[in-house]
Amino acid sequence: DAGVTQSPTHLIKTRGQQVTLRCSPKSGHDTVSWYQQALGQEPQFIFQYYEEEERQRGNFPDRFSGHQFPNYSSELNVNALLLGDSALYLCASSFRTGGTDTQYFGPGTRLTVL
Amino acid sequence: AQSVTQPDIHITVSEGASLELRCNYSYGATPYLFWYVQSPGQGLQLLLKYFSGDTLVQGIKGFEAEFKRSQSSFNLRKPSVHWSDAAEYFCAVPNAGGTSYGKLTFGQGTILTVHP
Repeated sequence: DAGVTQSPTHLIKTRGQQVTLRCSPKSGHDTVSWYQQALGQEPQFIFQYYEEEERQRGNFPDRFSGHQFPNYSSELNVNALLLGDSALYLCASSFRTGGTDTQYFGPGTRLTVL
Repeated sequence: AQSVTQPDIHITVSEGASLELRCNYSYGATPYLFWYVQSPGQGLQLLLKYFSGDTLVQGIKGFEAEFKRSQSSFNLRKPSVHWSDAAEYFCAVPNAGGTSYGKLTFGQGTILTVHP
């Protein structure tokens, strides 16, 4: 049973560019959440997708957007990259329809903005 | 809004010693609570969770945690630490008004160093 997978593992971009990160949830899960973890900090919630809709959003600008596909996989898009967007981006999946929402995390994508 | 506080930024223990990592929560009703562990540069691994019922929760890797309403705490314990337990530990609570789903809010984390 595969866990949560994320791609790519590492990514280097320059300021002003756009980036797309991808996440495949754990088998049987229907909900995907995205978090940003700056170096030495705790993860910060970006948004959560369920039934292909954004259900909850954290305190992040509109440059951060996402999508969930019918197969429950998800993308995180960041436009107009800033140096401060450099971080580990974590995807978590869960089974919300089941009533409780234990989130299981992927290995993360390390984004470096130069 | 629910929140959690981890008072200890860094803890050092000797291998074989017992361990207790503190987590205090702020919420009026019974919260849902989680402990995760993160090795450097890696994702978060779920150690254990508390939803309701028995206040002593068993997790993976020999960890346990006890929910104490009177102290608003959910401390993580292990009777004998192994060198491989060195990592950062996060306490977390869902922040969706008493439900178990929605965004997770994390404590600041506690870095555990294990001396041989």
